[in-house]
Amino acid sequence: QSALTQPRSVSGSPGQSVSISCTGTSSDVGGYNYVSWYQQYPGNAPQLLISDVTVRPSGVPDRFSGSKSGSTASLTISGLQAEDEAEYFCASFAGYRHPFLFGTGTTVSVL
Amino acid sequence: QVQLQESGPGVVKSSDPLSLTCSVSGGSIFSHSWSWLRQAPGKGLEWIGYLSKGGTTNYNPSFKTRVAFSSDTSKNQFSLRLTSVTAADTAVYYCARGGAFGDFSFDYWGRGALVTVSS
Repeated sequence: QSALTQPRSVSGSPGQSVSISCTGTSSDVGGYNYVSWYQQYPGNAPQLLISDVTVRPSGVPDRFSGSKSGSTASLTISGLQAEDEAEYFCASFAGYRHPFLFGTGTTVSVL
Repeated sequence: QVQLQESGPGVVKSSDPLSLTCSVSGGSIFSHSWSWLRQAPGKGLEWIGYLSKGGTTNYNPSFKTRVAFSSDTSKNQFSLRLTSVTAADTAVYYCARGGAFGDFSFDYWGRGALVTVSS
């Protein structure tokens, strides 16, 4: 099983919107509505931002949103803030034999 | 508030087994599934496997012959044992809540434990 594909980096100015893509196959992203997104600051553990493609856990700012089309999921950060500068990973359920695949990770920079 | 804390040796000799324990507070290990994941230096996340709330396990095929999970319900802990380690197993190891059916995301994480495999 290969890792899910994410762009290496995305950047934007404060207040802008940026989107991060997460591309898989019909066996993972495209086959299940179980994509999750995580934010990770250097030296820290990942934190859950989005579960089940679109569900935002309590406490996560509503400027973070998730979507999916076919085998590509996306995380959108609306109204980019300096504190959003971090690494972002997607993950997808991929069936019982190999339940979880993670994305390659995307660095978000705030200009 | 659920909290997880990894513990174990920070250095393991090549070919020796790696053992880590995750202590859970603020919730029972009977109530959810629990996973181990790792992140090699400068790399992405890799799921190692899960322990379901019923006690069954499911491992990443990449580790299947080398990995085993166990739990100590009296201490509300679960553990990872990875055998025949090599330098490629050097990573920060995380325990997290979630992974099995019904828990398709990881909502609580430990701070991580850096394990270095030495020759």
